[in-house]
Amino acid sequence: DQQVKQNSPSLSVQEGRISILNCDYTNSMFDYFLWYKKYPAEGPTFLISISSIKDKNEDGRFTVFLNKSAKHLSLHIVPSQPGDSAVYFCAAPANSGYALNFGKGTSLLVTP
Amino acid sequence: DAGITQSPRHKVTETGTPVTLRCHQTENHRYMYWYRQDPGHGLRLIHYSYGVKDTDKGEVSDGYSVSRSKTEDFLLTLESATSSQTSVYFCAISWDKFVYGYTFGSGTRLTVV
Repeated sequence: DQQVKQNSPSLSVQEGRISILNCDYTNSMFDYFLWYKKYPAEGPTFLISISSIKDKNEDGRFTVFLNKSAKHLSLHIVPSQPGDSAVYFCAAPANSGYALNFGKGTSLLVTP
Repeated sequence: DAGITQSPRHKVTETGTPVTLRCHQTENHRYMYWYRQDPGHGLRLIHYSYGVKDTDKGEVSDGYSVSRSKTEDFLLTLESATSSQTSVYFCAISWDKFVYGYTFGSGTRLTVV
């Protein structure tokens, strides 16, 4: 059973607008969350992370928000650019504590 | 990423044959991981290693084995390949579990016919 859920397989946004990608998790003990970005034919690359002691972390155009009571996090991209078109994965620690569990991913398309 | 390489990049093999995928790192990271990526399933953990000769199973380990005889190499073996193991396989490394994120390799596309 997936502990990290990304319920939107795809999202299309116009260039310059905001992209919001969502992720839900089931384990309230999770204390760290990460977002990865993946282009076709490449490995995923680390994008941004957030600790459970925070509710927001910002890095340039990318901001991750964490709502612990709702067990929900979101990635905001402002403004969206065509180069942001990729698959975005949300991740959280596995029960073992040694590895990450990933969501199924959301494919973002930013149109000019 | 230059610090992690996967080989081969592409492979086609027949059902029932053993296959070994190699992950090589030059970063001296302690932790290494094998994931597979499939449409509709995202990235799923197969096996991981937390040191030389220290490995453990992930969520989809059936039909796979791993070995890590030295820090820089982590091998994934499909003991008898099946069509359900057709996938893209990614290796990842990390110096401190996951907190600072993984570095992924470029992937191996495996087709079992």
